[in-house]
Amino acid sequence: NAGVTQTPKFQVLKTGQSMTLQCAQDMNHNSMYWYRQDPGMGLRLIYYSASEGTTDKGEVPNGYNVSRLNKREFSLRLESAAPSQTSVYFCASSEAGGVGTGELFFGEGSRLTVL
Amino acid sequence: AQSVAQPEDQVNVAEGNPLTVKCTYSVSGNPYLFWYVQYPNRGLQFLLKYITGDNLVKGSYGFEAEFNKSQTSFHLKKPSALVSDSALYFCAVRDTGSNYQLIWGAGTKLIIKP
Repeated sequence: NAGVTQTPKFQVLKTGQSMTLQCAQDMNHNSMYWYRQDPGMGLRLIYYSASEGTTDKGEVPNGYNVSRLNKREFSLRLESAAPSQTSVYFCASSEAGGVGTGELFFGEGSRLTVL
Repeated sequence: AQSVAQPEDQVNVAEGNPLTVKCTYSVSGNPYLFWYVQYPNRGLQFLLKYITGDNLVKGSYGFEAEFNKSQTSFHLKKPSALVSDSALYFCAVRDTGSNYQLIWGAGTKLIIKP
């Protein structure tokens, strides 16, 4: 049981380049999330998808786009990367009902450096 | 504004001693509170949660947390620390305006010395 799988694990970009982070979960969860983690700041929600076919902005959505491709997959796209987007990105999923009643399951993270 | 504070950046404990990692929160309404652990180069793992009921919540790996409404705290505890407990610990509270958003503390690095 793989849980939540993210690719790639590491990526170096130049300013202005674009890239997509991929995430897939095999737990049949309805809700999926993208977070970024920066030192001393905890996690900040970028976008989430409450269910297949829906996406909503989180705390820090600027500079990012997302696609809920199907129930399993939720991708995060940086259209024009900036150094401020250097971070570790985590995908997570949860059962129906969001975070209120259950736990989040996290992937192992994608470390992105923008030069 | 809703917030979570973890007042200690780092906590050092000797193996076998009890440990406490502190968390205080500020939310409107009834809080839904969570603790997660992150081992180096890994994703976060759920430890325990408080939704309602008994103020002492038991979780994974022998951890427990005590909800104190009057002090707006949700401290993580373990009676006897193991070296393998060394990790980064995050406290979080559900944003009462959204069932899909958590407000996270900045994290506390726990170091258990042999």
